[in-house]
Order: sequence, then C-alpha cells, then structure tokens
Amino acid sequence: GAVVSQHPSRVICKSGTSVKIECRSLDFQATTMFWYRQFPKQSLMLMATSNEGSKATYEQGVEKDKFLINHASLTLSTLTVTSAHPEDSSFYICSASLAGGSDTQYFGPGTRLTVL
Amino acid sequence: AQSVTQLGSHVSVSEGALVLLRCNYSSSVPPYLFWYVQYPNQGLQLLLKYTSAATLVKGINGFEAEFKKSETSFHLTKPSAHMSDAAEYFCAVSKNTGGFKTIFGAGTRLFVKA
Repeated sequence: GAVVSQHPSRVICKSGTSVKIECRSLDFQATTMFWYRQFPKQSLMLMATSNEGSKATYEQGVEKDKFLINHASLTLSTLTVTSAHPEDSSFYICSASLAGGSDTQYFGPGTRLTVL
Repeated sequence: AQSVTQLGSHVSVSEGALVLLRCNYSSSVPPYLFWYVQYPNQGLQLLLKYTSAATLVKGINGFEAEFKKSETSFHLTKPSAHMSDAAEYFCAVSKNTGGFKTIFGAGTRLFVKA
C-alpha cells in the first residue's frame, strides 16, 4: 500500500516551454503533498507543500509564478514548470502524506526534466 | 530550527562487513527521524522511522537505527553488507507543526566492494 506515482518519468523540452508533472497517490488519500527538486549528487530540497483545496506554501527562494502547484483532489497534485530554462533541469520528486496527518511521507519515483 | 548532518558523503565497505552511516540532528522539540534509501534515478524508499517509541528501530532489509537523545544521533547500521545495499542514504527529521515538514541530510553514498 501507500504507492505514489509520477508522470512523466522523463521529459525533454525546449527552453521557453511549460512542462506539467503529475503526482498521484494510487491507493490512499493524501491531504498533503510535497514537491522536491534534487540536483545531481545532492540532497532533496523542499520546494513547496501542497494541501488539497488550498494554495501551496512555497519555501523561501522558490518562485511561485514559475513553479505552479495545483492540488485539486486528495489523490492528485500537479507541478507546472512555466517558461522552462536549462537551469530548471533537475530531478523533481513528489511525496504524499496520509489524510488525517501522518509523520510518514511516501515518495514518487521522480521525474527527470531536461530543458534544452 | 531543525537540521540534519550526515557525516561522510561516501562510505565504502566490503561485502559482509558492518555498515555504519552516521546522522546527527538538531531539533527544539522531540523529533521524528527517518532513514531513506535512494537507488539511481528513483524516488526515496523508507527504511525505518523513529517516532518516540522504542529507541532501537528495526527497518527493512536488515537495517536498524538507534535514537540517542544524549548524543542527538540516529545512526544507521546493518551487520553484514550486501552488494544490493549500494545506494544513496538520506537521514531526515521532521516535527508536527500543524503538518509535517521534513528536512533531509546531504546524503551518504554507500559503496559495497566484492
């Protein structure tokens, strides 16, 4: 149980285009989802916390207009990288917590974004 | 503020040898502590977690970790390394502040030699 999926697993796009990444909790309801980015050989950096039905909370230094997060249902959150540039190339990982509050996050497999 | 320090960005052991990955934390309140493993180009898999119950926590794949409040440590161990244990390991801390926000350590890459 507690499986989280991400789609797509890999995406290559041209500079200036927008890319949407989906994060789904497959067998549980997730009140809260988190979005991280991970640069090569580095740790995960929290970008934002996404709560169903409300606006996402962004970490300091993360541009909310560039990284649009929508958490429309208890099983789906999306991250849209708008007007992507090569420096946005990274590994994006989402995680989800069980509804009702939980100390444990369940992670998706990640999405590798490459911006040319 | 919470923080996590993992000592050693790389650890190399021989197959069958003891694995010890070090993690120290700082937290103003009793923390929740986690160890995750990440294989190349994959997400994170939970190995084990400490949530103020038993101080010695057993996880999957033969790993365990001991919470030592006096040392603010949560080191990860495994008695006998296997080749399949080669991966990146992350220690993490979180606390309930109306929602759980997790802070990750920098990670330790474990190499296992035949």
